[in-house]
Amino acid sequence: EAQVTQNPRYLITVTGKKLTVTCSQNMNHEYMSWYRQDPGLGLRQIYYSMNVEVTDKGDVPEGYKVSRKEKRNFPLILESPSPNQTSLYFCASSLSVSTMAYEQYFGPGTRLTVT
Amino acid sequence: GQNIDQPTEMTATEGAIVQINCTYQTSGFNGLFWYQQHAGEAPTFLSYNVLDGLEEKGRFSSFLSRSKGYSYLLLKELQMKDSASYLCAVRVNTGGFKTIFGAGTRLFVKA
Repeated sequence: EAQVTQNPRYLITVTGKKLTVTCSQNMNHEYMSWYRQDPGLGLRQIYYSMNVEVTDKGDVPEGYKVSRKEKRNFPLILESPSPNQTSLYFCASSLSVSTMAYEQYFGPGTRLTVT
Repeated sequence: GQNIDQPTEMTATEGAIVQINCTYQTSGFNGLFWYQQHAGEAPTFLSYNVLDGLEEKGRFSSFLSRSKGYSYLLLKELQMKDSASYLCAVRVNTGGFKTIFGAGTRLFVKA
């Protein structure tokens, strides 16, 4: 089944404890992206990747890191989480942005709480 | 700056037609998307417009006017299961391809 998976789905952690949220897609997509969703603000893009080893900042990259060493995986790293990073996080992928295969497929979401 | 506006909430009756508007001010426009998001779930793709005009897909249609920075999503023959949030998003080419989302319109369909 074609899908985007994220782990963990729920995480409660403490300020300053490094964490990684994994994202994997099995559709051979080139483009992958991370978003956070907060009430009243909608989805905001954190980082995106056009292909392996190519990543760029979205609108809210502060406090986050990403890497794209393989096509299928795009982990989100919080080196020192803070309470303002409490949010619902979505990973998404699309085949390419340079073709008409433009729709993004979203993972199920990771609800992160930082205390 | 980049900005997308859409109404916060709308209510419509089962069987009716509803139009959800979206206005945007962006630079490097590279396409407009509509996504549907049910409560507690991930967004799912509905439509894509890159040229002016109407795109129809079953009960859903989406319109774009690039000169006016305006789009709408039209939902016909409303069903209770259409109660969800509808997200307007613009892809912009800034050297890379960023996606900017509006805050979403929560649609309530009543019997």
